[in-house]
Amino acid sequence: TQLLEQSPQFLSIQEGENLTVYCNSSSVFSSLQWYRQEPGEGPVLLVTVVTGGEVKKLKRLTFQFGDARKDSSLHITAAQPGDTGLYLCAGRASGGGADGLTFGKGTHLIIQP
Amino acid sequence: DVKVTQSSRYLVKRTGEKVFLECVQDMDHENMFWYRQDPGLGLRLIYFSYDVKMKEKGDIPEGYSVSREKKERFSLILESASTNQTSMYLCASSPGVFYNSPLHFGNGTRLTVT
Repeated sequence: TQLLEQSPQFLSIQEGENLTVYCNSSSVFSSLQWYRQEPGEGPVLLVTVVTGGEVKKLKRLTFQFGDARKDSSLHITAAQPGDTGLYLCAGRASGGGADGLTFGKGTHLIIQP
Repeated sequence: DVKVTQSSRYLVKRTGEKVFLECVQDMDHENMFWYRQDPGLGLRLIYFSYDVKMKEKGDIPEGYSVSREKKERFSLILESASTNQTSMYLCASSPGVFYNSPLHFGNGTRLTVT
């Protein structure tokens, strides 16, 4: 079983601060996805990264896939209260089909006004 | 936009009852999934299906079964509900042709077994 470790588990910061969330594994993934889940809703995809070293930006969110495709990070610049939510990373193993998606346990992020 | 609809947001059942959780998607997706989400444990895959009448066990299938009689509908069945099945249940779908396609989730059913 491939495991994805997310850190930190919980993070509460003030509006305007920057933060980074990490997703690490000892296994290689062919791709990695980041989802955000808000209270009372299902997770929604933010981004998919597939190439080692790839960097993708989504407004104030920057996602990076590690060179060895074993880890990823999510950096938020000037966090806003609307960024509050549960952030989940999910990795797909090489050769894995639709069922080969492993989820991390998530980072609970609270942005205080 | 893809819409995945779960029939109930909240459900309270008694131990030993047979429970049906229903999920419908409107985008003609081949793949459908059932996950449960628990604090500290994250999302765990219960069952998934690649096509009508096909089902595959996920990581924690014990105590559950599924039914997929139509492409758009995927049902999760708790044959005899137990208190350790109290959880948030999430249904998801994805197209079969695209390897890195995202999962589209419903809003979940919070099941309490007393």
